[in-house]
Amino acid sequence: KAGVTQTPRYLIKTRGQQVTLSCSPISGHRSVSWYQQTPGQGLQFLFEYFSETQRNKGNFPGRFSGRQFSNSRSEMNVSTLELGDSALYLCASSFPPPGTGDRYEQYFGPGTRLTVT
Amino acid sequence: AQSVTQLDSQVPVFEEAPVELRCNYSSSVSVYLFWYVQYPNQGLQLLLKYLSGSTLVKGINGFEAEFNKSQTSFHLRKPSVHISDTAEYFCAVSDPLFGNEKLTFGTGTRLTIIP
Repeated sequence: KAGVTQTPRYLIKTRGQQVTLSCSPISGHRSVSWYQQTPGQGLQFLFEYFSETQRNKGNFPGRFSGRQFSNSRSEMNVSTLELGDSALYLCASSFPPPGTGDRYEQYFGPGTRLTVT
Repeated sequence: AQSVTQLDSQVPVFEEAPVELRCNYSSSVSVYLFWYVQYPNQGLQLLLKYLSGSTLVKGINGFEAEFNKSQTSFHLRKPSVHISDTAEYFCAVSDPLFGNEKLTFGTGTRLTIIP
């Protein structure tokens, strides 16, 4: 079974630009969560999507947004990039169909490393 | 609000020695508890989880953890470490109302195995 894939793996952007990151969950998983990882703030929850609806949201400014498509693939967008947005962005998929897996295990992708210059 | 404290940012241990990585949490409600491992340039992998029931939880790669409600702790242990255990370890907590899709992580403990 293929794991969680994230594209691109590395990205360099300039302050003020916007960026879109993509996450493909494990086949059949219905939930996708996004996290930001930085040396200073550690791992912080951004938001979670389930069946195309945002269910949970962390404490990030409105410049951070996301969406989920009918095939459960998810994208997150950051507008007006700031230097502090440089981070590793991780997505995780969970919530397999009943009887097919552990409801409480999240599978993380390798992340997208975003550098803002 | 929930929070997780990992007091040790770095832990060096000799190969084949035992190790304990400490985790304390703060929450006004019952919680789910998790330990994740992150190898260089990779995402996170779940080592073990506590949802309910037995307070001693066994995970992958020979790791185990004990939930102690009175001390609000969930320390991770391994009786004999290997070079391959070198990685960063994260303790995390979630509110059962949110399942495990909204995790609050500790700041991580970097485990270094000395040959």
